[in-house]
Amino acid sequence: EVQLLESGGGLVQPGGSLRVSCAASGFIFSSYAMSWVRQAPGKGLEWVSTISGSGDTTYYADSVKGRFTISRDNSKNTLSLQMNSLRAEDTAVYYCAKTFSGSYRSAFDIWGQGTMVTVSS
Amino acid sequence: DIQMTQSPSSLSASVGDRVTITCRASQTISNYLNWYQQKPGKAPKLLIYSASGLQSGVPSRFSGSGSGTDFTLTISSLQPEDFATYYCHQSYSLPLTFGGGSKVELK
Repeated sequence: EVQLLESGGGLVQPGGSLRVSCAASGFIFSSYAMSWVRQAPGKGLEWVSTISGSGDTTYYADSVKGRFTISRDNSKNTLSLQMNSLRAEDTAVYYCAKTFSGSYRSAFDIWGQGTMVTVSS
Repeated sequence: DIQMTQSPSSLSASVGDRVTITCRASQTISNYLNWYQQKPGKAPKLLIYSASGLQSGVPSRFSGSGSGTDFTLTISSLQPEDFATYYCHQSYSLPLTFGGGSKVELK
């Protein structure tokens, strides 16, 4: 069964750091670009970042560029998002998502259950 | 950035109704348009990819159409499990963007 399982969410103070992870199973992880999409409470979906299957190309939304870093370990089938200089507006459920094809120009066909990140003092 | 505008933002419908949701892109995106269903407290679920491709396992009452800037998601006969929020998503260019959502509620 194809599955994504996020972990690492929690409460962090403004200006702090947090790392969320996503464990993938059931597919050839290295063949697919992977993304993070977030959803603030009661709001819509917002794309955050995408990484190529090999890990050598990354893309970021302007709202997180320079603060967040996406990475992957294809030997462990794991996707990560390192979040630094967190702000209140980063509070959201963070979903990892698999792309339908190998490129970012594709739908997200598999989603994790999400992990909640709350930035508050 | 490509803006995605969905309409309506909410609608009330009855079981058996035909429901249509529209998504308009601020510039042409060819057929790089995807539709998702999200229920409260759950992750989004892919329904339609590339404007009209039905994702495996999704009931055939869901269909998508359109190309360029104007797209439509149609539910031919609304079922109780279809009450949810629906989002369009363009994967034509970065930054990837979503519509604001269309909530389908029980009349």
